[in-house]
Amino acid sequence: DVKVTQSSRYLVKRTGEKVFLECVQDMDHENMFWYRQDPGLGLRLIYFSYDVKMKEKGDIPEGYSVSREKKERFSLILESASTNQTSMYLCASSLGVLGFGQYFGPGTRLTVT
Amino acid sequence: EDQVTQSPEALRLQEGESSSLNCSYTVSGLRGLFWYRQDPGKGPEFLFTLYSAGEEKEKERLKATLTKKESFLHITAPKPEDSATYLCAVQRVRITQGGSEKLVFGKGTKLTVNP
Repeated sequence: DVKVTQSSRYLVKRTGEKVFLECVQDMDHENMFWYRQDPGLGLRLIYFSYDVKMKEKGDIPEGYSVSREKKERFSLILESASTNQTSMYLCASSLGVLGFGQYFGPGTRLTVT
Repeated sequence: EDQVTQSPEALRLQEGESSSLNCSYTVSGLRGLFWYRQDPGKGPEFLFTLYSAGEEKEKERLKATLTKKESFLHITAPKPEDSATYLCAVQRVRITQGGSEKLVFGKGTKLTVNP
């Protein structure tokens, strides 16, 4: 079974703090993704990576950056957390570029106060 | 712009009462349509991929079908444990080299099955 793990289930941070969310997958998948999910807005893509050290912006990249130094690990960084970044953050991975289902981690509920 | 619309937003069924969820989409060249199940406070769980009109996939009480404009998720004799939000997503055909093509998600149908 594909396993995608995220570093924290719940996280509380203060405005202005730098926040790191980590994601690890154990299936040698090429592609990894970061989403946020908010009530009424659904899932929105922040960034994705289709290879080590490669990244592409998604729909809402502002205020976020990412790092992929190893194939199995994809990190999301909030450079200076703000209250409007309070959300559920979901990491996903997929085997191929096109036509492959994405497998999601359990999510990190981030609250910025 | 690619769009995915799911209906209804919420659906309440009695245990054993079969029904269908709808996913309508507009995309310039469909590469795949994906169905997910999401339980409260958890990440979506991948269910099916459909690639072309006429295709069907089944898993336990769930059956997904695809036409050129929509997909249906049929739930036969549902049980309370089928209660969840069901998400639909589409991926378009990539026309440039390299990279990937993002999924466009619908907002989901929240299914509640009462015992």
